[in-house]
Amino acid sequence: EDQVTQSPEALRLQEGESSSLNCSYTVSGLRGLFWYRQDPGKGPEFLFTLYSAGEEKEKERLKATLTKKESFLHITAPKPEDSATYLCAVQARPWYSGGGADGLTFGKGTHLIIQP
Amino acid sequence: KAGVTQTPRYLIKTRGQQVTLSCSPISGHRSVSWYQQTPGQGLQFLFEYFSETQRNKGNFPGRFSGRQFSNSRSEMNVSTLELGDSALYLCASSSGTSGGSYNEQFFGPGTRLTVL
Repeated sequence: EDQVTQSPEALRLQEGESSSLNCSYTVSGLRGLFWYRQDPGKGPEFLFTLYSAGEEKEKERLKATLTKKESFLHITAPKPEDSATYLCAVQARPWYSGGGADGLTFGKGTHLIIQP
Repeated sequence: KAGVTQTPRYLIKTRGQQVTLSCSPISGHRSVSWYQQTPGQGLQFLFEYFSETQRNKGNFPGRFSGRQFSNSRSEMNVSTLELGDSALYLCASSSGTSGGSYNEQFFGPGTRLTVL
């Protein structure tokens, strides 16, 4: 069974204080790992897709990296507007390719608060 | 380009009733997935439709069903509602291919269902 574990569950930082969020996963053949941001009362907003170990992607103050067992979302010099819940999800190869369900398997998320 | 739209945004029902939720994907997207989000379980995959066919299904009882129309719009139905069905129901669309929806999924704002 595909599993995704995110840590920490919650993180409070001062504005400008850089940190990293962790996403550990087990999946029967990784097709892609996704990072989303979710604000209260809204649907998840797509951030990044990573497909293979060693891959890195950046967007403004965010940088996502991927290894064979985990992914990190690095936040550099965060601002209060970066406060949100960050979700990690994996997609396995479909069953007809020897994998599992085709839907995304999500972690519980990291609730990030950036204080001014 | 307009995003994913979901209607209604809020819904209150009583136990035993049934409910139908609607999702219009991004123009040109052929894959629609449905997810249930609760504080305890997080985001869980319900099912995915591609070209009017259910391509994959998560681990939910048969009370949860869906369909997709020729214009890619999708509906989700829950029959015989239970208190535990109270959740945010999210729809996500992706361009998808006949080989699997490995493209990024873009989420709508969700429908907040409350079962009394």
